[in-house]
Amino acid sequence: QKEVEQNSGPLSVPEGAIASLNCTYSDRVSQSFFWYRQYSGKSPELIMSIYSNGDKEDGRFTAQLNKASQYVSLLIRDSQPSDSATYLCAVNFISSGSARQLTFGSGTQLTVLP
Amino acid sequence: DVKVTQSSRYLVKRTGEKVFLECVQDMDHENMFWYRQDPGLGLRLIYFSYDVKMKEKGDIPEGYSVSREKKERFSLILESASTNQTSMYLCASSSGYEQYFGPGTRLTVT
Repeated sequence: QKEVEQNSGPLSVPEGAIASLNCTYSDRVSQSFFWYRQYSGKSPELIMSIYSNGDKEDGRFTAQLNKASQYVSLLIRDSQPSDSATYLCAVNFISSGSARQLTFGSGTQLTVLP
Repeated sequence: DVKVTQSSRYLVKRTGEKVFLECVQDMDHENMFWYRQDPGLGLRLIYFSYDVKMKEKGDIPEGYSVSREKKERFSLILESASTNQTSMYLCASSSGYEQYFGPGTRLTVT
């Protein structure tokens, strides 16, 4: 059983729409959650971090965390073709010897159609 | 801005060669990580380090070793490269939980 799961997509949305990316994680104690954006051929870039239940907004991006339901989501408002990328969800699971490690999902490929 | 640099963007090596991949960060981060990324398998942790001269195995350490002699530098060593080590290698650093990645090295072993 994978610890961090994402729908691999591809997810296609028209320009200007809201893109919704979801991530679920296994039933382990966790405290930190991250979204990374990775363009084709490039390395992951941190775009959002969230540590407590609720919503966190940063520009066109909103991260949502629900620990009771074990999911974290990323909403991208007014999607642009430049948002086309793979989005990786990462979770910090608290366990002995791995306090600083992140576990990554396999990513969701997003395409924003002009 | 955090800056993580890797010694090469592209590298081609022959089977059996010893390969060194170097990573340098300029933010005085305590933690450094080496991952490999393969299509369909995502990011997999090879080794990480919390401090100078300290290292811990990740999920797939077999065939790799690491060295951290200075805080800013973390090296990944492939003792005897094999074709199944052809991959994108990514280095990351952090002071807390937020990891920042270098540009990656695409290694091809022929």
